[in-house]
Amino acid sequence: AQSVAQPEDQVNVAEGNPLTVKCTYSVSGNPYLFWYVQYPNRGLQFLLKYITGDNLVKGSYGFEAEFNKSQTSFHLKKPSALVSDSALYFCAADQPGTGNQFYFGTGTSLTVIP
Amino acid sequence: EAEVAQSPRYKITEKSQAVAFWCDPISGHATLYWYRQILGQGPELLVQFQDESVVDDSQLPKDRFSAERLKGVDSTLKIQPAELGDSAMYLCASSQGQFYGYTFGSGTRLTVV
Repeated sequence: AQSVAQPEDQVNVAEGNPLTVKCTYSVSGNPYLFWYVQYPNRGLQFLLKYITGDNLVKGSYGFEAEFNKSQTSFHLKKPSALVSDSALYFCAADQPGTGNQFYFGTGTSLTVIP
Repeated sequence: EAEVAQSPRYKITEKSQAVAFWCDPISGHATLYWYRQILGQGPELLVQFQDESVVDDSQLPKDRFSAERLKGVDSTLKIQPAELGDSAMYLCASSQGQFYGYTFGSGTRLTVV
């Protein structure tokens, strides 16, 4: 079965420190990979995507993600965390040719401590 | 920036009542999705439309849930009768194609009492 895993339910990081939110996927072929952020009582907001090409993709709000095909991972990173980055983060994979259906991870709650 | 519109933002309903949610996708987006997100979990797909046709409703509890997109534009998701376990955030998303990902609306927070 196709799936996306976010192994950490909760990540805490001090403000100003680098942050990493982990994601691994088990999706056939060469999936498109996405990160979304969700603030309380809001919908999901797009952060960045990987389709092909450079393994390091840059997105909104200073976030970036590193694609690693051999490890089937797509970890979200930011060099210096802000308190305002505290939110719920979702990784998603889209399997090409399947009619545009996403597989979502279960989410990681990021708390940036002042 | 274009948005996916959803209404209402919040809905409280009593068990066994009917409830409906509305979604207006971004203009030109042929694909529309309804997701349910239980607190603390990831979104789970309920139904996917391509224009006015249902592409995937395999996870839709059809005994009580229905969805339509009659003219291939806006969409309505209905629950009748609502049950306590239906309390969740209902998210609508639209897409212009696989390459682009989804754009989500702000969701409807349903509480069944």
